[in-house]
Amino acid sequence: AQSVTQLGSHVSVSEGALVLLRCNYSSSVPPYLFWYVQYPNQGLQLLLKYTTGATLVKGINGFEAEFKKSETSFHLTKPSAHMSDAAEYFCAVSGDGGYQKVTFGIGTKLQVIP
Amino acid sequence: DAGVIQSPRHEVTEMGQEVTLRCKPISGHNSLFWYRQTMMRGLELLIYFNNNVPIDDSGMPEDRFSAKMPNASFSTLKIQPSEPRDSAVYFCASSPEGGRTGELFFGEGSRLTVL
Repeated sequence: AQSVTQLGSHVSVSEGALVLLRCNYSSSVPPYLFWYVQYPNQGLQLLLKYTTGATLVKGINGFEAEFKKSETSFHLTKPSAHMSDAAEYFCAVSGDGGYQKVTFGIGTKLQVIP
Repeated sequence: DAGVIQSPRHEVTEMGQEVTLRCKPISGHNSLFWYRQTMMRGLELLIYFNNNVPIDDSGMPEDRFSAKMPNASFSTLKIQPSEPRDSAVYFCASSPEGGRTGELFFGEGSRLTVL
């Protein structure tokens, strides 16, 4: 069965600093990988996704993630944090579940310190 | 275009009462998912519908939970009788192409508190 592990349930960075949110996955088939963002009292929205092809994926709001098969990782980065990036971020995997069931990680809350 | 619409946004009820949560998916999306979010367990998939047919309900906690999708534009999640441990945020999400791409479009959620 597919699964996702997000290291660090809470991450704090200073405004302008690098953002790095870690995600490792497990899947018995080539995975589709996703990062979603959730702002307070809202639903999740897609930040970026990897399906096939280029392993470095760019998303909205300056975020990007790199698929590393050898490390089974899909870490999310942003060169310079902005206050508006404060939110909860979820890594997700699909592909191993018949109908492409999407399995989410536990989430990482990002705090941006002014 | 309207997104996924859920109602009610907030529901407070007493243990033993029936709770019905409603969802209107994005027009043209043929897949609908119900998720439950709690601090302890994160996001859990409860049930998945494709073309109004339940495909995977293995995540439904127990017989107290039931879900229906009578047509392409409406789904309900019912809890009867409700218990305090059912307190959570319930999300509905829809997707085109059977969720093949895995891209889900979420509603704003229904926050349920069972006293």
